[in-house]
Amino acid sequence: DADVTQTPRNRITKTGKRIMLECSQTKGHDRMYWYRQDPGLGLRLIYYSFDVKDINKGEISDGYSVSRQAQAKFSLSLESAIPNQTALYFCASTSGALGNTDTQYFGPGTRLTVL
Amino acid sequence: AQSVTQLGSHVSVSEGALVLLRCNYSSSVPPYLFWYVQYPNQGLQLLLKYTTGATLVKGINGFEAEFKKSETSFHLTKPSAHMSDAAEYFCAVTTSGYSTLTFGKGTMLLVSP
Repeated sequence: DADVTQTPRNRITKTGKRIMLECSQTKGHDRMYWYRQDPGLGLRLIYYSFDVKDINKGEISDGYSVSRQAQAKFSLSLESAIPNQTALYFCASTSGALGNTDTQYFGPGTRLTVL
Repeated sequence: AQSVTQLGSHVSVSEGALVLLRCNYSSSVPPYLFWYVQYPNQGLQLLLKYTTGATLVKGINGFEAEFKKSETSFHLTKPSAHMSDAAEYFCAVTTSGYSTLTFGKGTMLLVSP
C-alpha cells in the first residue's frame, strides 16, 4: 500500500461548489503539506502543518483552507471553487526538518477540474 | 528568500546521449538542494539531495548532481540517457528552517530512439 494516499484521484466540479480533498499517510510523520501543480509553474505550496495544532499558510493560500484532523490526516478545502483552481494537487509528508535524514514523500495527486 | 531557476522547460536528447538539466538557486544562507522526478500520472519521487559534505551526490537510476557554491548551481547529469528517463524533473531548495521546499518550474526530458 502507498505511504501517502489522496482521495479522490480525479474530480470535476462546478464554479461555486465546495470541494474537499483528503490526504492520509501511514508513515507516522508529523509534518504534512499541500501543493498545487500547474503546467509551466512547477509546484507551489498552499498550506503546511507541523502537528495537529499547527497550521501555516504557504505561498498561495488564498481561496483555500485546511484541516488537520489527526496526525495522519490533512484535508484541503476549496470553499467556493473557481476555474483557475483547476490544477493537479499533491499532498506530501515528512517526519521533521528537511535535510540529511528526512525528505518529503508525495501522494499520487488529485486532478481537479472546475467548470 | 529562496528561489530556484531551471533553465529550459523542455530538453530533448537521443537515447545513449548525455543528459544535462540545469538548476540555479538563490539563497542568503547555505541551502539544501533536491532533485525530484515525476513520471506521467504519478507523484514526485526523490532522485537525490545535497545537504552537507561531498558536493558531488549520486542518486537513483544513474543520475548525479554537483553542488557548486561559486556558481550557485546544482545541475543534474546522467552519462547515457535511457528511454525510461523520459519524465519531468524538478529542482528544489530549502533554507528557512529547513521546513518547506521551493520548487523550480520543472524541465521535461524527452528521449528519442
